Amino acid sequence: AQSVTQLDSQVPVFEEAPVELRCNYSSSVSVYLFWYVQYPNQGLQLLLKYLSGSTLVESINGFEAEFNKSQTSFHLRKPSVHISDTAEYFCAGRLRNTPLVFGKGTRLSVIA
Amino acid sequence: DAGITQSPRHKVTETGTPVTLRCHQTENHRYMYWYRQDPGHGLRLIHYSYGVKDTDKGEVSDGYSVSRSKTEDFLLTLESATSSQTSVYFCAISDGRGYEQFFGPGTRLTVL
Repeated sequence: AQSVTQLDSQVPVFEEAPVELRCNYSSSVSVYLFWYVQYPNQGLQLLLKYLSGSTLVESINGFEAEFNKSQTSFHLRKPSVHISDTAEYFCAGRLRNTPLVFGKGTRLSVIA
Repeated sequence: DAGITQSPRHKVTETGTPVTLRCHQTENHRYMYWYRQDPGHGLRLIHYSYGVKDTDKGEVSDGYSVSRSKTEDFLLTLESATSSQTSVYFCAISDGRGYEQFFGPGTRLTVL
């Protein structure tokens, strides 16, 4: 069975500092990996995805994630965070044609 | 944004009463899903559908049933609501290629 583990439930960081949100997955077969973001009192929005090809994927608002098969990781990074990045971030994975499996979420708090 | 609506958006009900939540999509996507979100648990799959009248159970299906008589509608029913079913419920859809899932705005259900 596939599982997704987010290693930190909360991450506080100062504005303009770098951040890394960690995600590990377990699967014996190829997976598709995703990061979703949830702003307060809103639904989930897709931030970025890894399906195949280049292991480094980027979002339009400066986040990036790298698929590392040997370490079974898909960590999310941003070199300089803004107050507006305060949200909950979910890592998720799926095998082909199966539903998404989510991690428990990481709450990112950006401090001014 | 994907055309997904959920109704109602908020509901308060009493223990033992039946409750039906509706998910409606305008994207003509094949796959539809129901998740519940609880603090510390992330999103957990309740049921999903891979076509009209084709459904399957997820991780936390006990106490829930679903129906899909049309492509655009996916109903989640709590036959006899319990306080443990107090949660935020999200509907999601994906197309036949089965990659990313797009989420609705959510329904906040409180069972007293």
